[in-house]
Parts: sequence; structure tokens; C-alpha cells
Amino acid sequence: SQQGEEDPQALSIQEGENATMNCSYKTSINNLQWYRQNSGRGLVHLILIRSNEREKHSGRLRVTLDTSKKSSSLLITASRAADTASYFCATDLQGAQKLVFGQGTRLTINP
Amino acid sequence: DAGVIQSPRHEVTEMGQEVTLRCKPISGHNSLFWYRQTMMRGLELLIYFNNNVPIDDSGMPEDRFSAKMPNASFSTLKIQPSEPRDSAVYFCASSPDLSGANVLTFGAGSRLTVL
Repeated sequence: SQQGEEDPQALSIQEGENATMNCSYKTSINNLQWYRQNSGRGLVHLILIRSNEREKHSGRLRVTLDTSKKSSSLLITASRAADTASYFCATDLQGAQKLVFGQGTRLTINP
Repeated sequence: DAGVIQSPRHEVTEMGQEVTLRCKPISGHNSLFWYRQTMMRGLELLIYFNNNVPIDDSGMPEDRFSAKMPNASFSTLKIQPSEPRDSAVYFCASSPDLSGANVLTFGAGSRLTVL
């Protein structure tokens, strides 16, 4: 079964609005990462948050991590048409040394 | 650096044929991962190598799949014989070091269609 599950599966918003995607996982992690995939392309790493961190920022991205709830959120502020893509969370499992990806959230930004 | 390079980008083959996918990781990266992506199952980790040694192949679907990493700059994923259910996009990714934060750089993928 998937370690990480994103919610919602699909999200459509207007340009300029904020987009929030959530990720839940099941077991203890070393860190949690978010990746973006444009249609027909490979995944691109966006941001990493360690298990002892609660919040991290990178440009228009804000990631939070709640290890007690085993959940994370990715916020994209002031969205742009170029943000249209699928977004995946990936968990780096303790003791496993491998990244397990969720099913992704398909984000559409309408101009 | 040109990034992770995969070939071929697209492959169409008939059921029963052998398929070989190739990957050149980023120079200096010690770990290499093969993933498969389908609409139904999402991104599945098939196998990963560290310093050219296979560490975990528990995701390899069955004996028809095999992977090798003869040196630090080359890996292959082979399917023999291929079946229609193997149709998917196969991604190779590399990372600098398994012991630290495992940040992956992905290739563009190889889209496989088995007829």
C-alpha cells in the first residue's frame, strides 16, 4: 500500500490564488519531500523537511510537517499558470533508505 | 551536468519481445533508483542500487524483470519477455548519498508500450 497519500487528488484554482495540498503517511520517517511533475516529464525536487522541523519556506512554497498526525501540507502562494503540474509527497522511511511516493495531486491553475 | 539520461524515450514493442531500458546517472551520485509509473498504481519503486550494488529489489514485479549496474555510470532495466501490462513510464533517478537526505534527480523517463 502507498505510504503517502495526497489530498485532494485534483485541484483547480484561479491564477493568483493560493493552493494547498495535503499528504498523510503511515510510518516513522527521516524526512518528507515534495516533488513536481509536469506533463510528460520527470519529477523535480521542490523542498525537503526533516522530521524534527515543523515548517519550511522556499520562495512561494511553504511546507508544514506534523509528525504526531503523520501529515504534511504544501502551500503555493500567488499561483501562476506555470504551477500547473502534479505534486507528489515522498517519505524517506526510517531504516529503509528509500523514497516512497504518494499518488499525487493534480493542480490546474486557470488564467 | 546533463542530468540523469535515459534511453530510449519511447519504445513500442510486441508482446514477448525483450526490452532494455538504459540509464546514465549524474556523475558522483552513489545511488540509483528505478521507478515505474502508471495511472492505476502511481509511482512504484522497482529496485535501487548503492555504489553499484543492488540493495532492495523487492519491488521488481516478477522474474521477467532484471536490473544491472555494471559501473557507476550505467544501469539497465530489462524485461524479458514483455507483456502488455508492463506498459508504463519507467524512470531512473540518482542521488548523491543514501546515508544523508535522499534527494532524487529524475531522468525524463522511458515510455514503454507493449502491444
